[in-house]
Amino acid sequence: GDSVTQMEGPVTLSEEAFLTINCTYTATGYPSLFWYVQYPGEGLQLLLKATKADDKGSNKGFEATYRKETTSFHLEKGSVQVSDSAVYFCALSDPGANSKLTFGKGITLSVRP
Amino acid sequence: GAVVSQHPSWVICKSGTSVKIECRSLDFQATTMFWYRQFPKQSLMLMATSNEGSKATYEQGVEKDKFLINHASLTLSTLTVTSAHPEDSSFYICSAREVGTSYEQYFGPGTRLTVT
Repeated sequence: GDSVTQMEGPVTLSEEAFLTINCTYTATGYPSLFWYVQYPGEGLQLLLKATKADDKGSNKGFEATYRKETTSFHLEKGSVQVSDSAVYFCALSDPGANSKLTFGKGITLSVRP
Repeated sequence: GAVVSQHPSWVICKSGTSVKIECRSLDFQATTMFWYRQFPKQSLMLMATSNEGSKATYEQGVEKDKFLINHASLTLSTLTVTSAHPEDSSFYICSAREVGTSYEQYFGPGTRLTVT
């Protein structure tokens, strides 16, 4: 079945540091890939998405590229801010499975001033 | 736009009682709503998919008689945990997919259930 694997956390960075959060997936079909963010006390929000190979999703300075050859969708940001502190989930949606979302375990990012 | 609310945000109930959690799409109509369960420091686990006006589709291993889902309108779905036990204590999250869209889900803030 479909699965998403995220790097172990938590991650603590200083403000303006470079961020990379690894995500790899296993899927039988051609999934769409997503990064969701959950700020403290709030629901999950879609951060960015990519629907086919080599697509790059971007939002709020975050980027991730759909790499079919390595089955990866790593999240990057060049300069993190304190306000980026949150839990980040990588997910995939398999169009052959009613577009259900399969999530990774999530990783907590804390950014120090 | 695209706001999903859940009520209550936190509930404590005694073992053996039932508790209902509501999920509402506030500014859009949702053909499909999803219910997830999240354990501490773990991922979201899909429990069931509900489509307005039809029976919910439950994931393997989820007891449909224990977790009753009703999607009576395009803006409301409810999850009732029947005869709750301490092992049902968890964080329950709903999401809604807007009519006419194929993949984007909007998530509620979650409901913390504690069964004593």
